[in-house]
Amino acid sequence: AQKVTQAQTEISVVEKEDVTLDCVYETRDTTYYLFWYKQPPSGELVFLIRRNSFDEQNEISGRYSWNFQKSTSSFNFTITASQVVDSAVYFCALRRSNDYKLSFGAGTTVTVRA
Amino acid sequence: AAGVIQSPRHLIKEKRETATLKCYPIPRHDTVYWYQQGPGQDPQFLISFYEKMQSDKGSIPDRFSAQQFSDYHSELNMSSLELGDSALYFCASSAGTGNYGYTFGSGTRLTVV
Repeated sequence: AQKVTQAQTEISVVEKEDVTLDCVYETRDTTYYLFWYKQPPSGELVFLIRRNSFDEQNEISGRYSWNFQKSTSSFNFTITASQVVDSAVYFCALRRSNDYKLSFGAGTTVTVRA
Repeated sequence: AAGVIQSPRHLIKEKRETATLKCYPIPRHDTVYWYQQGPGQDPQFLISFYEKMQSDKGSIPDRFSAQQFSDYHSELNMSSLELGDSALYFCASSAGTGNYGYTFGSGTRLTVV
């Protein structure tokens, strides 16, 4: 069975602070895919990043960065210099290589205060 | 760029009524997925279709059915609606099994009263 755990239910920060969202996953597969999605108050799911299990390179995209560590089964997400527009629910998700569906974590609600 | 189109955006139904949600995938995407997200919950996978055939099935109630048509659009039919069916229903599409990612629609918010 596969499982995604986002231990942080809610995080509140002041603008310009950095915030790191933890994601720990469980799977017995050697090939799998990890995703992060953002869900702003308007409700849509916005794709942020996809990483396959063979690519452990960290990635930076603007103020967003991701740290993938297979040794600890973690795929953490950091927002640097947070802004009010970053306020949203962030979901980490896992997909097995031979599967179609995504398994989501419970989500972390990030609130950035001005 | 074209995105996944879902209709309607909002739907209000009474208990025991029937609802039909529609999803139009990104052009050349051959796989569609349906997810249900209850209030404060993460999206739960319902069902998926690849090339008009059911490819995977999750926790979809027997009262729900879905299909993918020849133009690749999909419809989710929900009958005998219950209050607990009130949720945000997302459709997503991908090329093949989604190795290169999924694109979600904006969702249909169903309220059962």
